[in-house]
Amino acid sequence: DAKTTQPNSMESNEEEPVHLPCNHSTISGTDYIHWYRQLPSQGPEYVIHGLTSNVNNRMASLAIAEDRKSSTLILHRATLRDAAVYYCILRDGSNDYKLSFGAGTTVTVRA
Amino acid sequence: DAGVIQSPRHEVTEMGQEVTLRCKPISGHDYLFWYRQTMMRGLELLIYFNNNVPIDDSGMPEDRFSAKMPNASFSTLKIQPSEPRDSAVYFCASSFAGGSRPLGETQYFGPGTRLLVL
Repeated sequence: DAKTTQPNSMESNEEEPVHLPCNHSTISGTDYIHWYRQLPSQGPEYVIHGLTSNVNNRMASLAIAEDRKSSTLILHRATLRDAAVYYCILRDGSNDYKLSFGAGTTVTVRA
Repeated sequence: DAGVIQSPRHEVTEMGQEVTLRCKPISGHDYLFWYRQTMMRGLELLIYFNNNVPIDDSGMPEDRFSAKMPNASFSTLKIQPSEPRDSAVYFCASSFAGGSRPLGETQYFGPGTRLLVL
């Protein structure tokens, strides 16, 4: 399985943007980049995913490097409710339905 | 939609007892996943089903663990006999692929069952 590398933790102030980096230098052409987050005492929830192009949805934006070896999840205006562990995951789009979670990045939002 | 439903939400049992965790996936979903989360090992995939058939059980830790999916709306994860090291939060998730290759379909997780084996 292709692996991802994320910082252990990040801090942000409320109402400010948060940029969460993810390195995936061994990504293959069929790997999708997924982001999930896990709020305290809850199950993981989907945030966003992409293959090659940048993606936007109501929760966040995903910026994917041109060589696809890294990506950045962008929370445009952090709120206290965005405090969670954020997981960057590679999924093989050809035949693998599994999600392999790493340690993720723990995001703390200061009021 | 009520989302993925898991029961019980909390379970405390004694070592050696049988534990059964239950999951009701989102209606219409054709994939079901069982995960386990501990502080030491993080979130691990145990087994997953497609159309009620187990596809990959390589994550099941040992023979004490078994999972079934008798129909599209119900799955169980059983531990017999339970041991203290089985204490964890167990999550069930479901997704819909519709028989086509996955294009990044979302997995929807339940709230989890917190298991404590004394």
